[in-house]
Amino acid sequence: GQNIDQPTEMTATEGAIVQINCTYQTSGFNGLFWYQQHAGEAPTFLSYNVLDGLEEKGRFSSFLSRSKGYSYLLLKELQMKDSASYLCAPLGGGYNKLIFGAGTRLAVHP
Amino acid sequence: GAVVSQHPSWVICKSGTSVKIECRSLDFQATTMFWYRQFPKQSLMLMATSNEGSKATYEQGVEKDKFLINHASLTLSTLTVTSAHPEDSSFYICSAQRGTGSLDTQYFGPGTRLTVL
Repeated sequence: GQNIDQPTEMTATEGAIVQINCTYQTSGFNGLFWYQQHAGEAPTFLSYNVLDGLEEKGRFSSFLSRSKGYSYLLLKELQMKDSASYLCAPLGGGYNKLIFGAGTRLAVHP
Repeated sequence: GAVVSQHPSWVICKSGTSVKIECRSLDFQATTMFWYRQFPKQSLMLMATSNEGSKATYEQGVEKDKFLINHASLTLSTLTVTSAHPEDSSFYICSAQRGTGSLDTQYFGPGTRLTVL
């Protein structure tokens, strides 16, 4: 079956660093995507990992360990606008299927 | 690039009526489009995968006769909610995939909020 586990909520301070963890179990794993979703809006693409290791894109980095079924999203130099839900989405369960977890609601405060 | 639009942004309708939602890829051709539904504070649930020129593939538990999907061109897919009921009220989001590889990114439309009275 498919299972994705992320913390429900996190809080952090402006300017700080936060790491959002995700563990997953899915059949036919092909990679893992991270999306950001502000309340009432559609998700926007942040990053994806296919191979083990760290992918860095500006203030955002994502890490993947396929053997452990584990990924994390690292956000640096947090800004107030980073307050949003962050969705971990493995690609699997069939061709091109993104499987979304409930997401982690991040609140950034001054 | 990679802009996806949806229309309408929101719609309120009476129970028993049908509602059509359009999803368009504005600056790229999308062989595959996806339709998701999201209830408040819940995850996106894939409803169906839509391939241009062929029948949509529905996820388990999604009624194909209730949620009609048409993917008539490489830039347009439509979802029609037939005989809508209050429990169909939700946030409907489409995504379009640029490219045909399994790792090609899905780009999401802004979503359509449906309220059925």
